[in-house]
Order: sequence, then C-alpha cells, then structure tokens
Amino acid sequence: DTAVSQTPKYLVTQMGNDKSIKCEQNLGHDTMYWYKQDSKKFLKIMFSYNNKELIINETVPNRFSPKSPDKAHLNLHINSLELGDSAVYFCASRGPLNYGYTFGSGTRLTVV
Amino acid sequence: GEDVEQSLFLSVREGDSSVINCTYTDSSSTYLYWYKQEPGAGLQLLTYIFSNMDMKQDQRLTVLLNKKDKHLSLRIADTQTGDSAIYFCAESRSGGYQKVTFGTGTKLQVIP
Repeated sequence: DTAVSQTPKYLVTQMGNDKSIKCEQNLGHDTMYWYKQDSKKFLKIMFSYNNKELIINETVPNRFSPKSPDKAHLNLHINSLELGDSAVYFCASRGPLNYGYTFGSGTRLTVV
Repeated sequence: GEDVEQSLFLSVREGDSSVINCTYTDSSSTYLYWYKQEPGAGLQLLTYIFSNMDMKQDQRLTVLLNKKDKHLSLRIADTQTGDSAIYFCAESRSGGYQKVTFGTGTKLQVIP
C-alpha cells in the first residue's frame, strides 16, 4: 500500500529518557514534515525536510533533532523527555504540486 | 504570522447539512484545504481550493471561499454519522517550500 507509515504507534516512557520515532513514505514525495498535535488538537509544525535537506525549523527545543537519511525517511529523536512533550506526533509528506499533505497515523507519546 | 481560526464544535442531525466555517489572516494564502481527522487517526485531505476560485463542489462537499473577507466554509450535504470527526481548515502560500498552517479544528457531532 502507498502510504506514510510511522512507528511506533504508541510510546510510553519516563521523564529524562531519549526516544526516537520513525517515519517512512513510499509515495515518491520529496518533502516530509513533523507536526505536533497537543491535547486540544492544535497542530503545530516542527520540522520539514526536502530531499534530505532541512528547510523548516520552527521554534522547537533543541532536545528535538530530526534526521533524514534519504528522501523517503524522516526520523525524530527526542532527548531528555519532559512531561510537556506528551502529544501525538504526525509525520506527513507532500508532493510537488502543493496539493496538501499525506499524513501518517500518528505516534502517541506519553511521558510519565 | 499566519493565523487560522475555526469554531470548536458543531452538532447537526443526521440528514441535515453541516456548515463549518474558517477565517484566516494571510492575504498571500494561495491554497486552502479541508482535512478530516477521525479518532485515533491521521488527517485525511478532503478537498482543496485555489485562492482564485470562489467555489468547489465534490459530491456531498461544497467549499466556498470569500477571499476579500478571508473566509472559507465547508458544507457537507446529507450529513451522516460517519461524518462525525474533527475538521481542520488549512492554508499555504505558493512557491518554494511553503508550510501548511492548520486551524484549531471543528469537532462535528452528528446526531442519529
């Protein structure tokens, strides 16, 4: 199936730990994104990569580090997790025609 | 910066029409989108409209754009219980690597 897939779907971890979320798309899109959705469902962009190059880096703590080994993958590593990092993290990709994103199904991160 | 606002909640009876409204501030917005998010899922692109259009119809969905007032609406005809979800309005500019800015989301509840 053509899709944007994220792993894991759920992640429960303790404060202070380091964790990674992986994202892969097989749509042939050049641009990938990470968005954070808080408990009020507000979506905020974090990062964007175009063909392995960082192009958007919003005001995000530097504990968050994206990495794109190739244009089909965009991973998110989070160091020293805090309670406020609890949210749903969505990966998305976008084709060249600007016709919106294709989203992954999200990773629900809970920091305890 | 860009700002996209929506009312938080809408309740309609099955079979009625639903109208979800959105206002945005960026006069340079070129693409305007409607996304649907069902519980536990990612966002699904429903439809989009270019800023040089006034209206777009796609089966039960009608999008109206008032560019002067920066107002976008989504009308769902013959609303069904399966339409219950959160609907996000979103906008982006054209050119380069433009990010998509999402609204606050409107939760649509369809009463049988």
